[in-house]
Amino acid sequence: QQPVQSPQAVILREGEDAVINCSSSKALYSVHWYRQKHGEAPVFLMILLKGGEQKGHDKISASFNEKKQQSSLYLTASQLSYSGTYFCGPREGGSEKLVFGKGTKLTVNP
Amino acid sequence: NAGVTQTPKFQVLKTGQSMTLQCAQDMNHEYMSWYRQDPGMGLRLIHYSVGAGITDQGEVPNGYNVSRSTTEDFPLRLLSAAPSQTSVYFCASSWATGGREKLFFGSGTQLSVL
Repeated sequence: QQPVQSPQAVILREGEDAVINCSSSKALYSVHWYRQKHGEAPVFLMILLKGGEQKGHDKISASFNEKKQQSSLYLTASQLSYSGTYFCGPREGGSEKLVFGKGTKLTVNP
Repeated sequence: NAGVTQTPKFQVLKTGQSMTLQCAQDMNHEYMSWYRQDPGMGLRLIHYSVGAGITDQGEVPNGYNVSRSTTEDFPLRLLSAAPSQTSVYFCASSWATGGREKLFFGSGTQLSVL
């Protein structure tokens, strides 16, 4: 079963912030985040492992709460280059596979 | 470094035809997988492999076969193509299984079944 991402789409102006949420119905071992530009392959952003740590990459950071089986991606002071579709991929405990959500389409306008 | 190489980039098939999508990686990755991407559906896992000789089903395996005779190659076979298999297909690989390491994606194969 695919994890649930919200919102499905968001439109921002440059400099605004956004949060993308990802939740699963199963216990999680880790969560991946990827960004995909139109017509291109997904590109890795970060992995969060069990322990609730928050990781950052430039002005993009994420948190992982394994007890709530949730992860959130935070985009701060958005740039035009942040536009794309964001996918979360939680790895469920005991599973070797990575299943992705349906994605969140982010559009950043000037 | 070639990374993950998918061939062909584009393919048009007629209903009932068979074909194989090729995926090769030169990074000695343990884990390899196939996803299909359809509008509004995200990336759906078709099959995956945790090493040579070991494969397993993902979310949407029906109509597809895989094998992994070598570490480098993970071909995806469509036995009898159907219009519902029109999609963009991505192959992805990783150093380790179980989501411990990031996935490297190929550039994709756009498949149309008429």
